[in-house]
Amino acid sequence: AQSVSQHNHHVILSEAASLELGCNYSYGGTVNLFWYVQYPGQHLQLLLKYFSGDPLVKGIKGFEAEFIKSKFSFNLRKPSVQWSDTAEYFCATDRGSTLGRLYFGRGTQLTVWP
Amino acid sequence: NAGVTQTPKFQVLKTGQSMTLQCAQDMNHNSMYWYRQDPGMGLRLIYYSASEGTTDKGEVPNGYNVSRLNKREFSLRLESAAPSQTSVYFCASRPLQGVHGYTFGSGTRLTVV
Repeated sequence: AQSVSQHNHHVILSEAASLELGCNYSYGGTVNLFWYVQYPGQHLQLLLKYFSGDPLVKGIKGFEAEFIKSKFSFNLRKPSVQWSDTAEYFCATDRGSTLGRLYFGRGTQLTVWP
Repeated sequence: NAGVTQTPKFQVLKTGQSMTLQCAQDMNHNSMYWYRQDPGMGLRLIYYSASEGTTDKGEVPNGYNVSRLNKREFSLRLESAAPSQTSVYFCASRPLQGVHGYTFGSGTRLTVV
């Protein structure tokens, strides 16, 4: 069963538009959650992570994500996107195991037009 | 610079050839992983090593073998390459302590013709 679902496969926005990328996880226990970004031709880089405390986490480059336990969601947001945010975004969870592997969603391609 | 180093960056193989993808990390991480990335499929785990001396299959292990040579190095071997193994391969590592995600290598783009 898919542990992480990303609803949008491809999102196209104009610069300065607001962004929200959906992520839902299916694991019922304690979870640690991550968002990664992959710029064209590059490897995945960590944007932000949630493991406890404030459900609103802030990451690099103005991104933030909100953990909503009741909805099993961890959506990624940015108030105003830039052309340089064009990339693929992956949500992931380790199902609460800091020793274990990550389970990735299939990714959302974001294209930002100048 | 600390991180995960993968070699080679690009490789073209003929069907039936063998090769080994190398991965080394210098961050003293315990766990290491091999993923393949294909369009529309996201990242799929091939093999992983939770600690030195152990290896386990992931979701798509067929056609691959791995070796955890020591704590730093985790290699992936294709014994008889097939066109279906054309993909981008990423190695990643994760530390034992704290809540950390992966640190990824820069990837190997493999084409099997």
